[in-house]
Amino acid sequence: DTEVTQTPKHLVMGMTNKKSLKCEQHMGHRAMYWYKQKAKKPPELMFVYSYEKLSINESVPSRFSPECPNSSLLNLHLHALQPEDSALYLCASSLASDHYGYTFGSGTRLTVV
Amino acid sequence: SQELEQSPQSLIVQEGKNLTINCTSSKTLYGLYWYKQKYGEGLIFLMMLQKGGEEKSHEKITAKLDEKKQQSSLHITASQPSHAGIYLCGADERGSGGSNYKLTFGKGTLLTVNP
Repeated sequence: DTEVTQTPKHLVMGMTNKKSLKCEQHMGHRAMYWYKQKAKKPPELMFVYSYEKLSINESVPSRFSPECPNSSLLNLHLHALQPEDSALYLCASSLASDHYGYTFGSGTRLTVV
Repeated sequence: SQELEQSPQSLIVQEGKNLTINCTSSKTLYGLYWYKQKYGEGLIFLMMLQKGGEEKSHEKITAKLDEKKQQSSLHITASQPSHAGIYLCGADERGSGGSNYKLTFGKGTLLTVNP
């Protein structure tokens, strides 16, 4: 298995909703990442988990809450989002967080209404 | 923090033509990645370069990293409509406080290939 699987592919949520994005990989990668990509912009890093511990938080608002329950799974919990949070959310993984290449999932297209 | 400048921002070519996309870094590159993205979709890994002077090819795409490791180029030979998309260069950068590495991206190059 050489893939990073993200679910759901599309999500529409209201500003008062709570939802979660899920990312899964079975490549034995020990670093996992969340990126946010707005239209016509490059992906921007949100969080890095290394060996199931949060190692980088790029000053992301608390309405985004990451979770890494085990080495294969990464979640992003969403609560009280704003319309400007609408974007493509990409998950990635790497063997280690050190020059070994990054595999990206196909993303979750999130729309906040 | 590291900044990556990509040029051109967009490119329209006729099918069969060759083209080059450049990526220049403000700092020495320790890992340089090229990805392709169709609009609204995930990133497809193309190539990774680490050593100065390194060159890699896959099918009709060749990527090079210069000797000083501050510039990379992506060259497509005999372009096809299937090459159309957004090309992103990315670089390894150590997080603040010496924490784990992260991948930061250039702004991308939008390639259109007309049949």
